[in-house]
Amino acid sequence: EDQVTQSPEALRLQEGESSSLNCSYTVSGLRGLFWYRQDPGKGPEFLFTLYSAGEEKEKERLKATLTKKESFLHITAPKPEDSATYLCAVQAEGLSWRVGRRALTFGSGTRLQVQP
Amino acid sequence: ETGVTQSPTHLIKTRGQQVTLRCSSQSGHNTVSWYQQALGQGPQFIFQYYREEENGRGNFPPRFSGLQFPNYSSELNVNALELDDSALYLCASSLTPRLIGAFFGQGTRLTVV
Repeated sequence: EDQVTQSPEALRLQEGESSSLNCSYTVSGLRGLFWYRQDPGKGPEFLFTLYSAGEEKEKERLKATLTKKESFLHITAPKPEDSATYLCAVQAEGLSWRVGRRALTFGSGTRLQVQP
Repeated sequence: ETGVTQSPTHLIKTRGQQVTLRCSSQSGHNTVSWYQQALGQGPQFIFQYYREEENGRGNFPPRFSGLQFPNYSSELNVNALELDDSALYLCASSLTPRLIGAFFGQGTRLTVV
């Protein structure tokens, strides 16, 4: 069974204080690892997809990296508008075509609060 | 803006009632997946439809059912509502069952009282 664990559950940063969010995963063959931002009461907003260990992607103050067991979302010099819940999800490869394996498996998220 | 729209945005129902939630996918997206997100949790996969047929189901009972239509719209139906069904319901559309993840709707907040 695919599993995703995110840490920490909550993180409070001062504006400009860089940090990293962790996503540890167990999956029988990774097709893709996804990062999302979610504001309260809204749907997840797609940020990145990573496909193989060593891959990195950047968008503004965010940088996502991937190893064979975990992914990190690095936030550089965050601003208050970066406050949100960040979700990580995995999609399995190969066996994904079996019933119930075509979907994303999500972690519970990291609630980030950036104070001015 | 993902091009995926859900309706209604909020809904209050009584335990035991039935509810229908709707999702309009991007044109050309023949795959739609539905997720349930309880407060403080990550989304959980309910089921996926591909070309109007169910293409996989998560760990949800049969009282959760769906339909997908040729015009790229879809429905999630829940019968015999329970208090634990209170959640944010999300749909996500994609071109194929393998290319998923980028296009989520804004969700429908269902409250069961």
